[in-house]
Amino acid sequence: DAGVIQSPRHEVTEMGQEVTLRCKLISGHNSLFWYRQTMMRGLELLIYFNNNVPIDDSGMPEDRFSAKMPNASFSTLKIQPSEPRDSAVYFCASRRDRGIFGYTFGSGTRLTVV
Amino acid sequence: SQELEQSPQSLIVQEGKNLTINCTSSKTLYGLYWYKQKYGEGLIFLMMLQKGGEEKSHEKITAKLDEKKQQSSLHITASQPSHAGIYLCGADPYNNDMRFGAGTRLTVKP
Repeated sequence: DAGVIQSPRHEVTEMGQEVTLRCKLISGHNSLFWYRQTMMRGLELLIYFNNNVPIDDSGMPEDRFSAKMPNASFSTLKIQPSEPRDSAVYFCASRRDRGIFGYTFGSGTRLTVV
Repeated sequence: SQELEQSPQSLIVQEGKNLTINCTSSKTLYGLYWYKQKYGEGLIFLMMLQKGGEEKSHEKITAKLDEKKQQSSLHITASQPSHAGIYLCGADPYNNDMRFGAGTRLTVKP
């Protein structure tokens, strides 16, 4: 079991550029969650999917943010155009059905927008 | 929505000392998770509590959920430098979207 895999680990981009963050779920997990972590706001849930379907995207800060899950094992989070206030660590997490085992988190993508 | 408040925000202890971190919910908890995060890394699942009065232990870490299911405590016995990190409590009230407290940053001085 390779765990939840995120890429890239670090991303530095200029304001206005498009950024795409990637996440590969653990095989057999059917829920996927995107979180953003900052010093000011802590860990915030952005969006989650169940069986590839977006269930709640109320945490997505603006229309500049979009997330997709084209298949059962892969998801992307896109920011277009990026802004300096988007700088944060972005985590994805997955789980299998009911959460008695908690969520399994990836190592995160540290995004810096300059 | 369910709010989770953690205390203290940060904690510095001498190696070998015991410590307690608290997590208080604005609503009844139907599942309370404890995670640990090291700087620059993802969250590691520690344990999950569901029943009022439940207590679980893993190595030197013990977590309890009070009878009213609105508060949980995490207790570390004889702390070690390896215990250093950020401890977060999380609640998943509808079993499909976990929210977290702000975290407690633990430093253990050798």
